[in-house]
Amino acid sequence: EPEVTQTPSHQVTQMGQEVILRCVPISNHLYFYWYRQILGQKVEFLVSFYNNEISEKSEIFDDQFSVERPDGSNFTLKIRSTKLEDSAMYFCASGEGPSSYEQYFGPGTRLTVT
Amino acid sequence: QKEVEQDPGPLSVPEGAIVSLNCTYSNSAFQYFMWYRQYSRKGPELLMYTYSSGNKEDGRFTAQVDKSSKYISLFIRDSQPSDSATYLCAMSAHSGNTPLVFGKGTRLSVIA
Repeated sequence: EPEVTQTPSHQVTQMGQEVILRCVPISNHLYFYWYRQILGQKVEFLVSFYNNEISEKSEIFDDQFSVERPDGSNFTLKIRSTKLEDSAMYFCASGEGPSSYEQYFGPGTRLTVT
Repeated sequence: QKEVEQDPGPLSVPEGAIVSLNCTYSNSAFQYFMWYRQYSRKGPELLMYTYSSGNKEDGRFTAQVDKSSKYISLFIRDSQPSDSATYLCAMSAHSGNTPLVFGKGTRLSVIA
């Protein structure tokens, strides 16, 4: 069964450093998303991406964040200068197309900023 | 008022019990509803998805939506210890490319 994959599973970084989180969405899906979940809190939407551009972003997704689809399979989230409060699980998700609404999530990357 | 409310539990039931998990929401534009299961420090796994009001059954799981009351439920029949996880409700107003709004999740323990 096709699934969303994410690397790395755990990333530790120092405050102020840049990190890139990687995702490989399900191959025939058109919509891609990043969500985050701070420990003990809700899963929160960050950004959606379609047709090589951002479709929608939340207020969390400020100038420190960027997304890219550098090739036909990978989807990345970059945090330019990490802060302590960026520590969270980051989930990539993908959706099939216009007539579908369900989203399939990857296993997540646990980001720890020290 | 929070957009999606979900009792965080924890909810503890004996093996074989029927479990009822619920969410309420405030945004009447929501019409697509999902239930995810999340094991500790893992990604949300899609269990059920429904459109608008009504029931949907899949094996031991039944999802119910009552849009008039802005209330959704997930029932688990014959619960098993392997059902022990956090259950998240999620919803959106549109199909296609749209962000999901999640509840906080209900932690369920099924005791053998």
